[in-house]
Amino acid sequence: ETGVTQSPTHLIKTRGQQVTLRCSSQSGHNTVSWYQQALGQGPQFIFQYYREEKNGRGNFPPRFSGLQFPNYSSELNVNALELDDSALYLCASSLDPESGANVLTFGAGSRLTVL
Amino acid sequence: AQKITQTQPGMFVQEKEAVTLDCTYDTSDPSYGLFWYKQPSSGEMIFLIYQGSYDQQNATEGRYSLNFQKARKSANLVISASQLGDSAMYFCAMREPYDITGGGNKLTFGTGTQLKVEL
Repeated sequence: ETGVTQSPTHLIKTRGQQVTLRCSSQSGHNTVSWYQQALGQGPQFIFQYYREEKNGRGNFPPRFSGLQFPNYSSELNVNALELDDSALYLCASSLDPESGANVLTFGAGSRLTVL
Repeated sequence: AQKITQTQPGMFVQEKEAVTLDCTYDTSDPSYGLFWYKQPSSGEMIFLIYQGSYDQQNATEGRYSLNFQKARKSANLVISASQLGDSAMYFCAMREPYDITGGGNKLTFGTGTQLKVEL
């Protein structure tokens, strides 16, 4: 089975621009979560989509938005980029979010640099 | 609020030795899950081991075991027989119970421990 794939792997943007990051979930998974990992820090939860609906959000401004498609792949959009948005963005997929030992399978991330 | 504390920014261990990575957590919920992930320099987070708050026994997965002490709110990872390929960043994380804000899969991570395995 294929794992979680993310694109692009690296990208450079300037302040004020917009970016779209993409994620293909692991086969059979219907839930996608996005995390931001700043340098030297642990990942922080941005939001989660379950069967195309957002059902959880962390403490991030509305500039961060997302989408999940019928095939359960997902996009993360960030508008009006700021320097502090420079980070590794991790996508994780999983099964039904309410099940017990539900393990998140992470992709390798998209490293965003904002100049 | 949920909190994970990893107090060891970096650890060194000799190949074939065992090493313990510390993790303490704070939560007021009786139901929670604890995870350990490994992050090599490539960036991908690799799942290692899971412990549920109601599990009676400590979790084990091959060379990984979790020393779960509920009263002390600690969930230390023990790696036995360290290998050079174990050199990576290790994160402890806690999953909150399902709620409207996190949707059931929200993980709160610690700041990580950088492990270096030496010959």
